[in-house]
Amino acid sequence: DAGITQSPRYKITETGRQVTLMCHQTWSHSYMFWYRQDLGHGLRLIYYSAAADITDKGEVPDGYVVSRSKTENFPLTLESATRSQTSVYFCASSTSKETQYFGPGTRLLVL
Amino acid sequence: QKEVEQNSGPLSVPEGAIASLNCTYSDRGSQSFFWYRQYSGKSPELIMFIYSNGDKEDGRFTAQLNKASQYVSLLIRDSQPSDSATYLCAVNVNSGGGADGLTFGKGTHLIIQP
Repeated sequence: DAGITQSPRYKITETGRQVTLMCHQTWSHSYMFWYRQDLGHGLRLIYYSAAADITDKGEVPDGYVVSRSKTENFPLTLESATRSQTSVYFCASSTSKETQYFGPGTRLLVL
Repeated sequence: QKEVEQNSGPLSVPEGAIASLNCTYSDRGSQSFFWYRQYSGKSPELIMFIYSNGDKEDGRFTAQLNKASQYVSLLIRDSQPSDSATYLCAVNVNSGGGADGLTFGKGTHLIIQP
């Protein structure tokens, strides 16, 4: 039972580069979410998706792009990485407004 | 702007005692309330959720909700060293069929002293 996975788990990149973080879930959950977690800010919602081809902005969407062509995948792209995007990124999924299950996270360092 | 406030701690509790974690929220339209536990370097894991005023118990954990006071708490009975973690309070405003993400507090760091 793989559940929800994220890749890569660790990433170092440079300012200005494009980076894509992958999220894959095997539960067929309709809803998927991307959060970032930073010291002093806690977890903040970046984007979410209610189903394939349906996405919406969260609290901090600037500089990020998402897509959801398949129910099980929800990639997050940083179009031109900035140092302020250094963070831990968590993907989550759920069947409804209730329990969200989180992936293991991706630690991203932008130099 | 939805806000969820928690005391960052650290909250230090002796082993075997009751740990009490508190959370307040700003949006009166909030419908669903969640407590997550997060160990250092790990992802959040759900402990409990509560929708209605009152208490909800699950093993050693009790969630308490008071919508009039916009207050939700988590009690951990018979605290164990393994309960040492950061506890995140989260709120969802959406009462309909969709899910638009959770608003999290910054978390309370709990330390259980053996």
